[in-house]
This record gives sequence, structure tokens and C-alpha cells, in this order.
Amino acid sequence: AQRVTQPEKLLSVFKGAPVELKCNYSYSGSPELFWYVQYSRQRLQLLLRHISRESIKGFTADLNKGETSFHLKKPFAQEEDSAMYYCALSVNTDKLIFGTGTRLQVFP
Amino acid sequence: DTGVSQDPRHKITKRGQNVTFRCDPISEHNRLYWYRQTLGQGPEFLTYFQNEAQLEKSRLLSDRFSAERPKGSFSTLEIQRTEQGDSAMYLCASSLLAPGGDFGPGTRLTVT
Repeated sequence: AQRVTQPEKLLSVFKGAPVELKCNYSYSGSPELFWYVQYSRQRLQLLLRHISRESIKGFTADLNKGETSFHLKKPFAQEEDSAMYYCALSVNTDKLIFGTGTRLQVFP
Repeated sequence: DTGVSQDPRHKITKRGQNVTFRCDPISEHNRLYWYRQTLGQGPEFLTYFQNEAQLEKSRLLSDRFSAERPKGSFSTLEIQRTEQGDSAMYLCASSLLAPGGDFGPGTRLTVT
């Protein structure tokens, strides 16, 4: 079955600390993975997708097919990074399957 | 075009009533998705359209739910005989050919 697991509901760090938001997936096909972010009182926004291999707002994510993971990383967290982060898996290029999300809190 | 829009933003209804939500996608996007999100969960896929054709429906979408996209532009999602378990945020997203597109602000439904 297709599944996305985000094991942490909440991750708290201090400003300037490294951040790693974990995402593991289960899918027998060729995965396409995304990270979405939702800031307070705003809509879901696409942060990055693995096929683009880009860095947005200092965040990167590498697809590890051996570990079936797509962890989101940032070397130095900023207070404005505080938000809800969702990992999502594209199935058959038709729809997204989301994880339950991780709330990132960055303290000053 | 300021992105995906949804109307209404909030809806409170009594159990047993019918409700209809509207989604206006980004104009050049041919795919339109509906998702549902409950507290503490990520969005769950409900259905999607490519142009006016409804290509997939989730098992979550009971017979009380129906979605349309009559001219390949805006879409409506109707819930008949609402139940308290239907209370959720209903999200619309649009994209060009592939998932991972733009989301709307959502319609929050409360069934009392």
C-alpha cells in the first residue's frame, strides 16, 4: 500500500540550529516526492519536489530509494521557518498522498 | 489570476442538509483536485478532473458526495445529507498535467 510517514508531530529547535524533518514512504513504483509548507493562516504551498533537485528558502531534500526516505533539511533554521510541513508522494502521477505533517517551531 | 480560489471559506450546516462548494482553478491548469483534511491529519485525496473528465474517485467519496467540472474550468463538490463526520477542511488544487500544483485556501465545513 502507498503510504507516507512523518514520525514527528512536533520538532522544536533554536534559531541557527540545523533542522531535519523526516519523511519515509512506501510505494512499489517509481516515486515522485514533494514537500509542502503551510504557514500560519496561509494555504498549502509547494516547497520543493525531488525531481527539481532545487533548494528553496535554504531547504533541500534528497530522495534515498534504499531507505525509502525524503528527509527535508536546512543547515540553519530561521524563526520564519516555523510552520507545518507535509511530505507527499505522487502515485501514478495522478494524485498526492500526504503524511500527517510535522510542526516546526523555531525559537529565537 | 490570483491563484486557486474557493467559495465559501466557511460553512456551518445542520446534519442532513446539502452543501455545495466551489473551486476556481488557475485558468491555464487542466487538472483539478479535491482533498479533505481533518484535524491532525494531512490532506486526503477525494477526486480529480482532467479538463471536464473525472478520472478518479477515492473510496472515501461515498455516494453522498458528487463533484463536477462541467466546462473544464470551475468545479463544484456537493455533499448530500451531511453527517457530523463530514466536518473537515475541503481543499481544492489545480495543476498543469501533473500533481504537485497550487492549493486553494480551503472551505471549512462544520456540521452541527
